[in-house]
Amino acid sequence: NAGVTQTPKFQVLKTGQSMTLQCAQDMNHEYMSWYRQDPGMGLRLIHYSVGAGITDQGEVPNGYNVSRSTTEDFPLRLLSAAPSQTSVYFCASSRTGGSAFFGQGTRLTVV
Amino acid sequence: AQTVTQSQPEMSVQEAETVTLSCTYDTSENNYYLFWYKQPPSRQMILVIRQEAYKQQNATENRFSVNFQKAAKSFSLKISDSQLGDTAMYFCAFMKNDDKIIFGKGTRLHILP
Repeated sequence: NAGVTQTPKFQVLKTGQSMTLQCAQDMNHEYMSWYRQDPGMGLRLIHYSVGAGITDQGEVPNGYNVSRSTTEDFPLRLLSAAPSQTSVYFCASSRTGGSAFFGQGTRLTVV
Repeated sequence: AQTVTQSQPEMSVQEAETVTLSCTYDTSENNYYLFWYKQPPSRQMILVIRQEAYKQQNATENRFSVNFQKAAKSFSLKISDSQLGDTAMYFCAFMKNDDKIIFGKGTRLHILP
């Protein structure tokens, strides 16, 4: 049982480059979310989805886009990377009232 | 908006001792869920314990237990007989029905040999 698969684990980007962080879950969970983790800030919600075709903004959505075309996949897109987006990113999935299952995280550095 | 506050940025205890991590939250909801997650140096997020707000009984998982005080909006985690492997960042989290999970800023716990 794979759970939540998040790729890549590490990435270095130059300022202005674009990339997509991939997230897939095989648990048929309705909810999927993207968080960023910065020192002293905990996990802050970027975007989340309550089902296929439905997405909404979290606490820190600027600079990021998401889509949810299927229940399984929830990619996060950085259209024009900035040094302020250097962080560790986590994808998570859950069902109503359930605990969240997390991917292994992506350490992104923007230079 | 819901908020989660962890007032202890960092703590250290000796191995085998008992330690309590504090968490308070703010919500106007009556039905919700609370969690404690552990993040060891491997960076993986691991669920430690889960509490349903409508259940008065405090959740327990082996050496981990919570003190859930709904009226006070407090949700502390007690780790008994602490072990070196308990060294990690601990996050308190809140979720209401059909909604996103909100995390506190975390408490870094060091278990000393």
